[in-house]
Amino acid sequence: GIQVEQSPPDLILQEGANSTLRCNFSDSVNNLQWFHQNPWGQLINLFYIPSGTKQNGRLSATTVATERYSLLYISSSQTTDSGVYFCAVPHRWGNKLVFGAGTILRVKS
Amino acid sequence: DAEITQSPRHKITETGRQVTLACHQTWNHNNMFWYRQDLGHGLRLIHYSYGVQDTNKGEVSDGYSVSRSNTEDLPLTLESAASSQTSVYFCASGRGTGELFFGEGSRLTVL
Repeated sequence: GIQVEQSPPDLILQEGANSTLRCNFSDSVNNLQWFHQNPWGQLINLFYIPSGTKQNGRLSATTVATERYSLLYISSSQTTDSGVYFCAVPHRWGNKLVFGAGTILRVKS
Repeated sequence: DAEITQSPRHKITETGRQVTLACHQTWNHNNMFWYRQDLGHGLRLIHYSYGVQDTNKGEVSDGYSVSRSNTEDLPLTLESAASSQTSVYFCASGRGTGELFFGEGSRLTVL
């Protein structure tokens, strides 16, 4: 099946810093999602981004499907950005999402 | 607002008991999924359904079952709970574009 790798596994930032999280996948996909799991455990949809670039406030994402990777940019980080960031892509057959292991982000004030 | 809800949010049970976790969505999505999340394993797919009367096994389906009698609900049943099934369980739904929306999770402890 498709493999999803995220990097870095852990990241510690000072409040106000910028960061880039990466998601590599082993097969061609027709969509990709980024999620934020907050410290309370909720999985929050950030982006549904099959290709191209999307922006939502301080966050933006870019997917280059032909090169099998996606990037999540966080600018001017805040302590509320802390948590785990997951990317997920669909399995070849159907709409079952396969998740990466996540990037644990800690933003310190 | 349409939403997806899980119940109970927290449950403690004993080994060997039957447990059912409920998942209800009001988006009228055909596709529904159950995942479990464990430290060191991330989110893994248990069962899924693409419509009424359709159910399929995911990668970690042993010891679990689901049924889909209507569009809105996909209950997850643990026939005989085991300590290895202590986990956080997430239900998700989607239209079929591949975009999924998750419930808030159900934390299950099996003693």
